[in-house]
Amino acid sequence: EVHLVESGGGLVQPGRSLRLSCAASGFTFDDYGMYWVRQGPGKGLEWVSGISWNSGITGYADSVKGRFTISRDNAKSSLFLQMNSLRAEDTAVYYCAKGLWGSHFDYWGQGTLVTVSS
Amino acid sequence: QTVVTQEPSFSVSPGGTVTLTCGLSSGSVSTNYFPSWYQQTPGQAPRTLIYSTNTRSSGVPDRFSGSILGNKAALTITGAQADDESDYYCVLYMGSGIWVFGGGTKLTVL
Repeated sequence: EVHLVESGGGLVQPGRSLRLSCAASGFTFDDYGMYWVRQGPGKGLEWVSGISWNSGITGYADSVKGRFTISRDNAKSSLFLQMNSLRAEDTAVYYCAKGLWGSHFDYWGQGTLVTVSS
Repeated sequence: QTVVTQEPSFSVSPGGTVTLTCGLSSGSVSTNYFPSWYQQTPGQAPRTLIYSTNTRSSGVPDRFSGSILGNKAALTITGAQADDESDYYCVLYMGSGIWVFGGGTKLTVL
């Protein structure tokens, strides 16, 4: 059974940094693209970033480009999101998802809450 | 910047049929965008319904179907049930490792 478990969320001040992690199990991790999708309070889903199976391709939403960095460790079946220069508008539940690269997101984690506030 | 459009809300009667759409602020949606659809109830993670335009995800009832209608992707629910009352999101693959979600449709079954 596929499991995606996010961690690393919490309360952080504007301008500071936070690193999210996603531990994956139940599938061959390096066969899949991995993604971060967020949902602000009372808002819709927003794709944040994606990384191909071998880290050869990464993509970012305009709203986070230059501030967030996605990475993965295939040996440890883990996905990461380094978030720098955080803003109040980055406050959201951050979901980790997997899927075939260039297609869709087939499994989702339960999310981790990031709150950016002074 | 590309905007993916969805109806903000829709209402359907129990047993009825409803079609939700997913469009582009500029241009037409085609299969090349690999449209996919997700269902989300409050406080829960999204659930994948449809991918690659019209392929149902494992375990999804066949009352959910996907298609291209005109210049938009579409999600049709046939024989709507009370527990279909949810938020529905589409997402399009723009190429070069970029995806964009629509704003979501809040579906009411009453």
